[in-house]
Amino acid sequence: SAVISQKPSRDICQRGTSLTIQCQVDSQVTMMFWYRQQPGQSLTLIATANQGSEATYESGFVIDKFPISRPNLTFSTLTVSNMSPEDSSIYLCSVSGLAGYYEQYFGPGTRLTVT
Amino acid sequence: AQKVTQAQTEISVVEKEDVTLDCVYETRDTTYYLFWYKQPPSGELVFLIRRNSFDEQNEISGRYSWNFQKSTSSFNFTITASQVVDSAVYFCALSVSFSGGYNKLIFGAGTRLAVHP
Repeated sequence: SAVISQKPSRDICQRGTSLTIQCQVDSQVTMMFWYRQQPGQSLTLIATANQGSEATYESGFVIDKFPISRPNLTFSTLTVSNMSPEDSSIYLCSVSGLAGYYEQYFGPGTRLTVT
Repeated sequence: AQKVTQAQTEISVVEKEDVTLDCVYETRDTTYYLFWYKQPPSGELVFLIRRNSFDEQNEISGRYSWNFQKSTSSFNFTITASQVVDSAVYFCALSVSFSGGYNKLIFGAGTRLAVHP
């Protein structure tokens, strides 16, 4: 597995503002993923970030709201734009391409509260 | 449809009891992978096991065991002699293929396990 870190670990933000979450991996990985976990809910994939190409967004998620960058094989950012209280969630990044393309390992998550 | 169903929303047991968490999946892929993850109160997701669709052998790791049955599309997880530290939300996930040769995970709703002393 890899060591995956996320910054910030938690934040409280005001509605209408934006927050950028960073995900750093200690080894090069092929794919990075961003998930949202709303309170008491399961994980929902937001988008897949492949280095050197545009992120692929899942149904219900758009680039204007969740812009993603993937500048290299160890780093990605997710921005939550123009936040509303409904964006209060845990945001997790995960990586694959270590032991195999089928396994995903998760970062510790970023707890976001929007007031 | 590609789907994972964890019908048990919450389970409460007393320490040392055995407990089984159910997972039923649907997929059109012939090759797929199934996973279990643990999410303790701290929030991070801990990988527990991966099983591919061609390997129906049951697996045991300490107090944890997994029963994979393709005939019933189930991948159940049993904790033997449960402990308070097992209290967490447990997610079953299905790895499905998408373009580019890579896979993405579809998660079940999760089962919240509470183990009481």
